[in-house]
Amino acid sequence: EVHLVQSGAEVKKPGATVKISCKVSGYTFSDFYVNWVQQAPGKGLEWMGLVDREDGETIYSERFQGRVTMTADTSTETVYMELSSLTSEDTAVYYCATRPLGGHYFDYWGQGTLVTVAS
Amino acid sequence: QSVLTQPPSASGTPGQGVTISCSGRSFNIGGNSVNWYQQLPGTAPKLLIYRNTLRPSGVPDRFSGSKSGTSASLAISGLQSEDEADYYCAAWDDSLNGYVFGSGTKVTVL
Repeated sequence: EVHLVQSGAEVKKPGATVKISCKVSGYTFSDFYVNWVQQAPGKGLEWMGLVDREDGETIYSERFQGRVTMTADTSTETVYMELSSLTSEDTAVYYCATRPLGGHYFDYWGQGTLVTVAS
Repeated sequence: QSVLTQPPSASGTPGQGVTISCSGRSFNIGGNSVNWYQQLPGTAPKLLIYRNTLRPSGVPDRFSGSKSGTSASLAISGLQSEDEADYYCAAWDDSLNGYVFGSGTKVTVL
């Protein structure tokens, strides 16, 4: 059974950096992408980017380019998403989700991590 | 402003059918497969339909997807109370080199 377990809720001050982890277990394929999706309170889903679990290659959404860094640690099967220069607009739930190499769809999702940015 | 356009809401009584539309352009829906996600209140999204028409294991066949040109649709037949959720379409966008979601449709079972 596939599990994506994310780190816990965070409270950050404006201008700070947050780093969220996502541990993947039980995935069938040895290589896959992990994507990150932002959902602001009461809003829809927004794709932030992806990281290749095996070689660490990344693609970032233009909206987050320059502020986001996604990394993968194959030894612990954990992926990280770091978002810097936080503002109140970054207050949201952040989800990680797996995507098989052969398809543009997210087959498994983490439980979500709430990040609150407040002074 | 979402790249893919969905109606904000849809509703039906138990047992009825509901269809949700998703409109895009040639460089997203027109050239790539469409996927649908269901988000129940307070939970993470879940894959409902992938590659336009396929259902992951465990998804009831009451849910079906279709695509034509630059539009796609999700149909729910035999509506049940547990279908009350937000539904999002999504596709890869070649011009943005990124994944785009629809604005989401809230389905209410009356």
